[in-house]
Amino acid sequence: AQSVAQPEDQVNVAEGNPLTVKCTYSVSGNPYLFWYVQYPNRGLQFLLKYITGDNLVKGSYGFEAEFNKSQTSFHLKKPSALVSDSALYFCAVRDMNRDDKIIFGKGTRLHILP
Amino acid sequence: EPEVTQTPSHQVTQMGQEVILRCVPISNHLYFYWYRQILGQKVEFLVSFYNNEISEKSEIFDDQFSVERPDGSNFTLKIRSTKLEDSAMYFCASSARTVRGDTQYFGPGTRLTVL
Repeated sequence: AQSVAQPEDQVNVAEGNPLTVKCTYSVSGNPYLFWYVQYPNRGLQFLLKYITGDNLVKGSYGFEAEFNKSQTSFHLKKPSALVSDSALYFCAVRDMNRDDKIIFGKGTRLHILP
Repeated sequence: EPEVTQTPSHQVTQMGQEVILRCVPISNHLYFYWYRQILGQKVEFLVSFYNNEISEKSEIFDDQFSVERPDGSNFTLKIRSTKLEDSAMYFCASSARTVRGDTQYFGPGTRLTVL
């Protein structure tokens, strides 16, 4: 069965410092991997995805994520955090050979300290 | 930039009543989805819909739930007889299912409160 783990409920980072939000996944086949962000009282906003190719993918607002097949990880990163990055971040996976559905992690709240 | 829209933003209903949640997917998308997020919990898949039929559904999507694409633009989720545990944020999503894989784009959600 597919699953996504986000081991941190909350991550606190000082503004200007690099940030990492961790994600590991489990699928039986090849994965499509996604990061979504949810701001207060807003929907899920797509940030970036990995389908195939280069393991480092770049997305919106300066975010990037690195696909590591051996560690089954897809950590979200940003070199320099902004206060406006404070939000709830969801990692998600889809088995490209099987299902329509996306499986979400429980989310990590990112708090950027001014 | 095209967006998925949902109405209403907040729906309050009495237990046992029927509700219909509405979504307008991105216009050239062919695949449609409903997810829900109970307060404080993870986002859960309910159902996917393509070519006027359900392509996949979860265990949550029981006989009380139904989906429909009544015209060329709307995609609806109906709950026939709401229960207290149906209170959640319901998200609609759509995707184009391109050759290189699809991104599901989500609407802002409808918060359903069952009293």
